Amino acid sequence: GAVVSQHPSRVICKSGTSVKIECRSLDFQATTMFWYRQFPKQSLMLMATSNEGSKATYEQGVEKDKFLINHASLTLSTLTVTSAHPEDSSFYICSARGAGLVGQFFGPGTRLTVL
Amino acid sequence: DAKTTQPPSMDCAEGRAANLPCNHSTISGNEYVYWYRQIHSQGPQYIIHGLKNNETNEMASLIITEDRKSSTLILPHATLRDTAVYYCIVRADNYGQNFVFGPGTRLSVLP
Repeated sequence: GAVVSQHPSRVICKSGTSVKIECRSLDFQATTMFWYRQFPKQSLMLMATSNEGSKATYEQGVEKDKFLINHASLTLSTLTVTSAHPEDSSFYICSARGAGLVGQFFGPGTRLTVL
Repeated sequence: DAKTTQPPSMDCAEGRAANLPCNHSTISGNEYVYWYRQIHSQGPQYIIHGLKNNETNEMASLIITEDRKSSTLILPHATLRDTAVYYCIVRADNYGQNFVFGPGTRLSVLP
């Protein structure tokens, strides 16, 4: 139980385009979802926290207009990287917590490469 | 958040036990100790968690000292597939709070 999926697993796009990443909780309702970013040989860095039906809370230094987060339902959150640039190339990971569940459950990650 | 300290890297021979330490001297009474691992280019994988008592599951054992200021994750028979970065995280069980990842311990299981 407590499975989180992400789609796509890998995406390559041209500079200036927008990319949407989906995060789904498959067998539980995610009261809170988190988005992390991980650069090579570094640890996970939290980008934002979102609760279903409300605006996401962004960490300092993360541009909310560039990284649009929508958490429209208890099983789906999306991260849209707008006007992507090569420096946005990274490994994006979502995670979720649910009522009655101890701990945090992570998706498999999405590798974004911006050319 | 309670800060955790882990050695940056460790080696372990295949088939032997891997003992990964974690210091969390400022842990609060309501904070759990969680262990996750991340294999290259994958999302973090839950291993085990505990509050006060030692815990064991099919993957590992977690030994927490009586004062809860440190813990050890034990992989009883390490395999090459256990090569990963292991993260020790201390967190209260608050649904709205995220997990903060430190640099972790890079475990290399050697043939």
